[in-house]
Amino acid sequence: DAGVTQSPTHLIKTRGQQVTLRCSPKSGHDTVSWYQQALGQGPQFIFQYYEEEERQRGNFPDRFSGHQFPNYSSELNVNALLLGDSALYLCASSSGFGTQYFGPGTRLTVL
Amino acid sequence: GESVGLHLPTLSVQEGDNSIINCAYSNSASDYFIWYKQESGKGPQFIIDIRSNMDKRQGQRVTVLLNKTVKHLSLQIAATQPGDSAVYFCAERAIDQAGTALIFGKGTTLSVSS
Repeated sequence: DAGVTQSPTHLIKTRGQQVTLRCSPKSGHDTVSWYQQALGQGPQFIFQYYEEEERQRGNFPDRFSGHQFPNYSSELNVNALLLGDSALYLCASSSGFGTQYFGPGTRLTVL
Repeated sequence: GESVGLHLPTLSVQEGDNSIINCAYSNSASDYFIWYKQESGKGPQFIIDIRSNMDKRQGQRVTVLLNKTVKHLSLQIAATQPGDSAVYFCAERAIDQAGTALIFGKGTTLSVSS
C-alpha cells in the first residue's frame, strides 16, 4: 500500500515565476492538507481540501491556491514567487478527521 | 504566534537510555495531540497520538503523557536507539468546525550516541 506521494522532489524557480506541486494521498484517504516548512522550523498549515473544496485555510496570501481532483489527489499552486517562499512543502492525507500522514515533501528553492 | 512549543531545542542521550521530550501547548480547547518524527530530508512520520479525554497512551517503546491541567505533553522513548535520532515535533489539532489543521512547534532534535 503506497503512502502519500509528492512530485517533484526538488524544484528551482526564480522570483516572479509560478509553481505547481502535486500530491497523491494514501489509499483510502479523502482529505489533503498542505504545509510549508521553513528550514529549522515546524510545518505551518496552508490549507486543507475535502470533497474538492477548500474547507480550511491558514494565514497564507492568495498567491497560494490549490485544487483537489475527484480521485482525491491535490495540487498546490504558488504565483509570483518570492525568495521567502523557499521551503519544504509537505502534503498530508487523512480519512476525514483522522490522523494526518505526511509525504516526503517537495523542496522549493526560489532564486 | 505559535500555540505549541517544545521546552528544549536539543536533547543528547546515550544508546539504551530512556528519552523524554517535552512540549507545552497554549490552546486549552485543543482535543487531539500528535507526536511526529522527522529525519533529515524526509517528511514527518507519525509516532503516536492522544485525545484530550486520555492522560496516557502507550505504543511500541513510546509513551505519550498529557497533563491538561498545566497544558503539557511529553513523549517518552524507552531504550533509545541510534535510529531514533531525528527532530521530534508535537502538534495539536486546532478546534475548527471547518477542518483539522495541525499546529506544530519548532521541534526538539534528539541525538543518540552509541
